[in-house]
Amino acid sequence: DGGITQSPKYLFRKEGQNVTLSCEQNLNHDAMYWYRQDPGQGLRLIYYSQIVNDFQKGDIAEGYSVSREKKESFPLTVTSAQKNPTAFYLCASSIIGGNEQFFGPGTRLTVL
Amino acid sequence: GQQVMQIPQYQHVQEGEDFTTYCNSSTTLSNIQWYKQRPGGHPVFLIQLVKSGEVKKQKRLTFQFGEAKKNSSLHITATQTTDVGTYFCAGGTGGGNKLTFGTGTQLKVEL
Repeated sequence: DGGITQSPKYLFRKEGQNVTLSCEQNLNHDAMYWYRQDPGQGLRLIYYSQIVNDFQKGDIAEGYSVSREKKESFPLTVTSAQKNPTAFYLCASSIIGGNEQFFGPGTRLTVL
Repeated sequence: GQQVMQIPQYQHVQEGEDFTTYCNSSTTLSNIQWYKQRPGGHPVFLIQLVKSGEVKKQKRLTFQFGEAKKNSSLHITATQTTDVGTYFCAGGTGGGNKLTFGTGTQLKVEL
């Protein structure tokens, strides 16, 4: 069964701690994306990657880091430098060429 | 940077009424996509429009792409409770994969 998985669904962390969100896809997609969703603000792009070992900053990359060591995996680290990390984080993937993006179920991060 | 705005932000309708959401980009787009996110869920792709003035229909949903390729609309005829959710437009530029999502319109349908 193909798709995108994100884990965990809910995550709680103390302020000042780094946390890594998992995103895995078995759709054989080259492109992967991380979005942040806050109420009333839609989806904002954090980072995206079009090929293994390469990624680009999105609109709100400050305080986040990513890696793309494997085609299937695109983990996102929310660092302590991110001033307001509590949000719903969505991972997506697509084929190259501006086609539809497939989203994972999301991780809701709460920083206490 | 590129901005994509949607109006209205919220819409409450009675079941059977029509619904329209409008999307406006600050820059010319190469394509526009529409997604639906059910409450508590993740965005799901609905459609992509590429040509200037293009109109596409999916059952009760009608999608339009403006002549200048800077605006788009989604119209739902005779809403049903299954239409509840937030509808996002997302604009693409050039030939790349990056999308700029609109702010979304949250639709609530009352019986």
